[in-house]
Amino acid sequence: GAGVSQSPRYKVAKRGQDVALRCDPISGHVSLFWYQQALGQGPEFLTYFQNEAQLDKSGLPSDRFFAERPEGSVSTLKIQRTQQEDSAVYLCASSPQGRTEAFFGQGTRLTVV
Amino acid sequence: RKEVEQDPGPFNVPEGATVAFNCTYSNSASQSFFWYRQDCRKEPKLLMSVYSSGNEDGRFTAQLNRASQYISLLIRDSKLSDSATYLCVVRANDYKLSFGAGTTVTVRA
Repeated sequence: GAGVSQSPRYKVAKRGQDVALRCDPISGHVSLFWYQQALGQGPEFLTYFQNEAQLDKSGLPSDRFFAERPEGSVSTLKIQRTQQEDSAVYLCASSPQGRTEAFFGQGTRLTVV
Repeated sequence: RKEVEQDPGPFNVPEGATVAFNCTYSNSASQSFFWYRQDCRKEPKLLMSVYSSGNEDGRFTAQLNRASQYISLLIRDSKLSDSATYLCVVRANDYKLSFGAGTTVTVRA
């Protein structure tokens, strides 16, 4: 079946602009994660959903970052008033119930200019 | 201090060579351990889980030393297609994965 799908693949935003990044997880996967990967670094945890409940948002860098998954499937990561330091690849991953393996999407590469 | 530390490399090896590298983790309560592979501009993909007794998957061997809190990966008979960044990953609770910065391996013909 289809893997994790993210859109857009690339986004260029002017500093101060708001952006919304979309993630379509694998159908039926209960767990959904957002990670941020800066150039030359490993992915850093942002937030975790179990179905529609956001159980952990400890990794969100500031209150400009907001994530939702209202119906327990598609998720959106919103960044308000983007800053240059927000430039990174944003990776979404999903996992089925009871499994620890995370399946990643190809990511959205955000460049703030 | 980062939760997972890795030697960034790069490790530049000829085809057929053996290459090994490891990572260390800081949380002694960590429950599960993995190696992920990430190709340039691609998403991370699970390479293998790492078990306490050590495990092999074809040419890949992973070891875990809980006492010293390090994990290793050995690649035998390297192929050109093994060129990638290898991410050491640790799970400390039911869901959160912590990634190292990755070790870059380049296999040359």
